[in-house]
Amino acid sequence: AQTVTQSQPEMSVQEAETVTLSCTYDTSESDYYLFWYKQPPSRQMILVIRQEAYKQQNATENRFSVNFQKAAKSFSLKISDSQLGDAAMYFCAYLRLLSGAGSYQLTFGKGTKLSVIP
Amino acid sequence: DTGVSQNPRHKITKRGQNVTFRCDPISEHNRLYWYRQTLGQGPEFLTYFQNEAQLEKSRLLSDRFSAERPKGSFSTLEIQRTEQGDSAMYLCASSLVLMLLPGTDTQYFGPGTRLTVL
Repeated sequence: AQTVTQSQPEMSVQEAETVTLSCTYDTSESDYYLFWYKQPPSRQMILVIRQEAYKQQNATENRFSVNFQKAAKSFSLKISDSQLGDAAMYFCAYLRLLSGAGSYQLTFGKGTKLSVIP
Repeated sequence: DTGVSQNPRHKITKRGQNVTFRCDPISEHNRLYWYRQTLGQGPEFLTYFQNEAQLEKSRLLSDRFSAERPKGSFSTLEIQRTEQGDSAMYLCASSLVLMLLPGTDTQYFGPGTRLTVL
């Protein structure tokens, strides 16, 4: 079974600074997808960024970028120029391609709580 | 596009009662997922639908849980004879999967229904 590990339960960053959130995963599959989702307090889960395993180029979305190391099974999220609105729980998620039908289910890590200090 | 909606947002019930939650996916999304999230944890997959067909169920989905998506649009999740251990946030997500373009599945989440079983 796939597992996703986020080793940092909590992180903090000064406003306008850069922070990196870590994620590792365990899988024997070669084709999969990785996501970072953001869940602000009492608000719904929002997709931050997505990475396809077959792509060597790291995904970037405005101030958010990833460092995808397939051999090391590592998928970290870098947030540049941190803003107060970035404060949230961040979840790393693995999207599994089940055999045959092209079905998917997300496996999430336990999350990292990011605080942004003004 | 109004996003994924879920009702009710909060539900408090007594142990042994039945509860039903509703999820309205993004219009024209053909896949609908249910997840459960307990405090301090990432969401855990429960089940998903491709149109009206329920294609996958997690071992977490005991026989007290049943989900339907009768017309391939909205979905309901019913819990019978609720137990205190059922207290959690129940999240719904939807996606549009194009079968000729595998890997297009990106799941968009609703705000969740928070269930408290007394």
